[in-house]
Amino acid sequence: EVQLVESGGGLVQPGRSLRLSCAASGFTFDDYAMHWVRQAPGKGLEWVSGISWNSGSIGYADSVKGRFTISRDNAKNSLYLQMNSLRAEDTALYYCANVLRGYWGQGTLVTVSS
Amino acid sequence: SYELTQPPSVSVSPGQTARITCSGDALPKKYAYWYQQKSGQAPVLVIYEDSKRPSGIPERFSGSSSGTMATLTISGAQVEDEADYYCYSTDSSGNHRGVFGTGTKVTVL
Repeated sequence: EVQLVESGGGLVQPGRSLRLSCAASGFTFDDYAMHWVRQAPGKGLEWVSGISWNSGSIGYADSVKGRFTISRDNAKNSLYLQMNSLRAEDTALYYCANVLRGYWGQGTLVTVSS
Repeated sequence: SYELTQPPSVSVSPGQTARITCSGDALPKKYAYWYQQKSGQAPVLVIYEDSKRPSGIPERFSGSSSGTMATLTISGAQVEDEADYYCYSTDSSGNHRGVFGTGTKVTVL
């Protein structure tokens, strides 16, 4: 059974940092690109960042470029998102996903507020 | 930045056909994927690579793509199909930049 389990969310002040993690199991993690997708309360899905299987190709949404860094550790079947200089508009449920295969976690909530 | 445009809402009577469009300049070269999201739940993939249906997805869900528009069709919509639907694709930069469509609320009544 495919499982993606996110962790690391929480309440953080504007300008501070947070690191999200995603533990994958049930599929061959290092065969696939992985993504972070977020959904602000009451809003639609927003693609945040993606990373190829070998970390050789990485992309970011314009809204997070220069502030967020995606990475992966294939030996640990894990995906990460380092989020710096957080803003109120980054408040959302953050999903770890293999978008092309339809594998999603349940999300971890990030709230940016003073 | 690259955008995928969907109609905000579509209404359909039970048993009728609902069509949801997704417009984007890179769609002639890039696959479209379709997701269904019900309230409080993670998205579920209903169509991948324009027209393929994952196992477990009912046959009433189908997809097509022509030019700059992809279409998700629900033939014989059921009450349980009421949800938000999002298309997904990538831009043509080749840098793994994805984008979700603006989303369509499907109401079955």
